[in-house]
Amino acid sequence: QKEVEQDPGPLSVPEGAIVSLNCTYSNSAFQYFMWYRQYSRKGPELLMYTYSSGNKEDGRFTAQVDKSSKYISLFIRDSQPSDSATYLCAKGTLLGANNLFFGTGTRLTVIP
Amino acid sequence: EAGVAQSPRYKIIEKRQSVAFWCNPISGHATLYWYQQILGQGPKLLIQFQNNGVVDDSQLPKDRFSAERLKGVDSTLKIQPAKLEDSAVYLCASSLRTGEETQYFGPGTRLLVL
Repeated sequence: QKEVEQDPGPLSVPEGAIVSLNCTYSNSAFQYFMWYRQYSRKGPELLMYTYSSGNKEDGRFTAQVDKSSKYISLFIRDSQPSDSATYLCAKGTLLGANNLFFGTGTRLTVIP
Repeated sequence: EAGVAQSPRYKIIEKRQSVAFWCNPISGHATLYWYQQILGQGPKLLIQFQNNGVVDDSQLPKDRFSAERLKGVDSTLKIQPAKLEDSAVYLCASSLRTGEETQYFGPGTRLLVL
């Protein structure tokens, strides 16, 4: 079983739509969760990270973690064409080495 | 603040040839990571350094891959000999220290093995 499972998409939405990106994970101990955005031919850049269950908001982005169901989500409000990218969820461990386990990424296209 | 630098950006080689990639992390970052990202997949950690010591190389195919960070700053990743399945983007990342959750990624080196 993979550490992190992510629907690869692709996902196309009209500009202004609310986008929901989702991942599931295995292993629960001392975890934190991250969302990275990766534009074509670029390295991933960190969008958000969270340690606990619940919601964390940053502008148009909301990260949600449900530890009881091992489910993590990223919501994008008022999506823009500039949001078109691949979104990677990742899981890290607070103890020991800071190894990140990434999902496969969901490719998002926001159509003007 | 300058980001993580990598070179070359692109490399095309034939199978069984050797190739090397270079990474210069953000100044002051003690921890350096090399990831392999195959097309359509998320990055997979190959090796992690803390200063010039290896923290984790459990997923590094040691029969053909090697990496070093001799002075605790920049790093090289080498593949010898390359196989077709090594075609991927090789990403370097750095963080202030091990356990620091924010890793900053470079643009990657895109390798094509023919």
